[in-house]
Amino acid sequence: GENVEQHPSTLSVQEGDSAVIKCTYSDSASNYFPWYKQELGKGPQLIIDIRSNVGEKKDQRIAVTLNKTAKHFSLHITETQPEDSAVYFCAASKNDYKLSFGAGTTVTVRA
Amino acid sequence: NAGVTQTPKFQVLKTGQSMTLQCAQDMNHEYMSWYRQDPGMGLRLIHYSVGAGITDQGEVPNGYNVSRSTTEDFPLRLLSAAPSQTSVYFCASSPNGPGLSYEQYFGPGTRLTVT
Repeated sequence: GENVEQHPSTLSVQEGDSAVIKCTYSDSASNYFPWYKQELGKGPQLIIDIRSNVGEKKDQRIAVTLNKTAKHFSLHITETQPEDSAVYFCAASKNDYKLSFGAGTTVTVRA
Repeated sequence: NAGVTQTPKFQVLKTGQSMTLQCAQDMNHEYMSWYRQDPGMGLRLIHYSVGAGITDQGEVPNGYNVSRSTTEDFPLRLLSAAPSQTSVYFCASSPNGPGLSYEQYFGPGTRLTVT
């Protein structure tokens, strides 16, 4: 099955700086790559997703890039704010609904 | 809309006991799924359903049963609880389909402890 690896496991950034989280996947048939944000005590929530026919997608301060050849994708958060502190999960899927998740990255934004 | 609701929020079981985790959604989503979340392991898919009457196994199905008799409800049954099933359980739903969003909407979770 699909194996998704996510790095780093923890990330501490100064408010206003950028944060980057990287994921690799093993199944070249995967074609859907969402990112979820989980705040303490809540369920994960989708923040951005990308399909394999697109190399980059941006939504305000967050962006995702995909390199199909290398089988890796990354989440970029610019101008980080305290409310960006959370656990972020990448995921991969080849049929949209069976997601394989990475282990998660705990992001802490220091004021 | 209440979205995805899960009950109970917390549960403590003794080894060997059985119980059902409830999940309901009021968004008329066809796709529903159950995940467990363990430290350092992300979320792992237990079972999923692409519509009423249709269920299938995910990555870690052993020890769990599901059924989907209605579009709204997708209960998860633990047949004989084991300490290895101590985890946080999330239910999710998605409209999923051509022309529809593939976003999965997660419930608030059930924290289960098996002693």
